[in-house]
Amino acid sequence: NAGVMQNPRHLVRRRGQEARLRCSPMKGHSHVYWYRQLPEEGLKFMVYLQKENIIDESGMPKERFSAEFPKEGPSILRIQQVVRGDSAAYFCASSPPAGGNTEAFFGQGTRLTVV
Amino acid sequence: GQNIDQPTEMTATEGAIVQINCTYQTSGFNGLFWYQQHAGEAPTFLSYNVLDGLEEKGRFSSFLSRSKGYSYLLLKELQMKDSASYLCAVGGSGYSTLTFGKGTMLLVSP
Repeated sequence: NAGVMQNPRHLVRRRGQEARLRCSPMKGHSHVYWYRQLPEEGLKFMVYLQKENIIDESGMPKERFSAEFPKEGPSILRIQQVVRGDSAAYFCASSPPAGGNTEAFFGQGTRLTVV
Repeated sequence: GQNIDQPTEMTATEGAIVQINCTYQTSGFNGLFWYQQHAGEAPTFLSYNVLDGLEEKGRFSSFLSRSKGYSYLLLKELQMKDSASYLCAVGGSGYSTLTFGKGTMLLVSP
């Protein structure tokens, strides 16, 4: 079991470009959570998805950010027209269908730098 | 609202015992989690408390008092590799997304 896989590990984008962050959950896990960690800040919940459904996006900025978890393939966090303030580490976590966050495992994160 | 407080930094010496406190005020509660995070790495799960009391797991123990909104993580026989950030997090109601504190950076010195 390869664990939660995120790619890329590091991503550099110029202001105004789009950033796409990918997360493949652990095998057998159907729940995916995205968190953002700003420098000197704690992890902040962004969005919780199950296959083909957004369950809770209360932590997601209303503009420029979107997330999906299609039936096939990884979960994608998409940031359009990136700004310097989007520079952060973005972590994905996954859990099995019945486990909730009790058994959530985190990926290594994608470090986004906007220049 | 959601508010989770923990000390920013702590220092301790190898072989010692250290207690990292966490207080919380959250609108929902579905368990108290502790994670360890080394610089540049993923948070790794350490412990989960949903009932009051002490949970022991090897060198690590975690305590919860729901009435006081208080938890602590106890690390015994400290090793250099325990130098890391320790994150306190509360699971909310419903599907249990986590609300994290800012983390406590623990530095273990020889």
